Amino acid sequence: KQEVTQIPAALSVPEGENLVLNCSFTDSAIYNLQWFRQDPGKGLTSLLLIQSSQREQTSGRLNASLDKSSGRSTLYIAASQPGDSATYLCAVVNTGTASKLTFGTGTRLQVTL
Amino acid sequence: ETGVTQTPRHLVMGMTNKKSLKCEQHLGHNAMYWYKQSAKKPLELMFVYNFKEQTENNSVPSRFSPECPNSSHLFLHLHTLQPEDSALYLCASSQLVWRTIGVYEQFFGPGTRLTVL
Repeated sequence: KQEVTQIPAALSVPEGENLVLNCSFTDSAIYNLQWFRQDPGKGLTSLLLIQSSQREQTSGRLNASLDKSSGRSTLYIAASQPGDSATYLCAVVNTGTASKLTFGTGTRLQVTL
Repeated sequence: ETGVTQTPRHLVMGMTNKKSLKCEQHLGHNAMYWYKQSAKKPLELMFVYNFKEQTENNSVPSRFSPECPNSSHLFLHLHTLQPEDSALYLCASSQLVWRTIGVYEQFFGPGTRLTVL
């Protein structure tokens, strides 16, 4: 059974700092990995999707990498801003599960002024 | 309306009530999902519908009854719920190609915050 772990569970950084969020998964037989952000009490916003054949994806200040063989992904946020404060979730789709996402518990990020 | 919408946004119900959650997607997708998000637990997939057919029931109790009348609408009918069913219920949709394993991005609605008294 796939298990997804995110470390740290919570993180507080000053504005402008670069930071890395970690995601690890136990079963490397995945189709893709997706990073989401969730604001308090709200739904999820998709940030980046990395296919299993890819190593990384970039969108603006965000860069996500994937090392499928070691079961790891990182989300790099450059020059953090207070508006980046949210919970960040990673999720994987295992092969043969037809888009069934398995989520981690998330990293709650706070960017302070 | 754009994206994925959910109504109501908040719902308080007693254990003997019957209520329904509604989800609508305006993205032209053909797969829809219900997820449950409880405090301090990972998001859990409940149901998956592909081309209006239920393809996944993740051992969900029968007091939750999904309905997908067409590819754009998804309902979750609730009856005789328990206080531990209080959670944020999220709907999502994605594109899917018929009879292939999908690797498509899922788009989420804002959720319905459910409280069972």
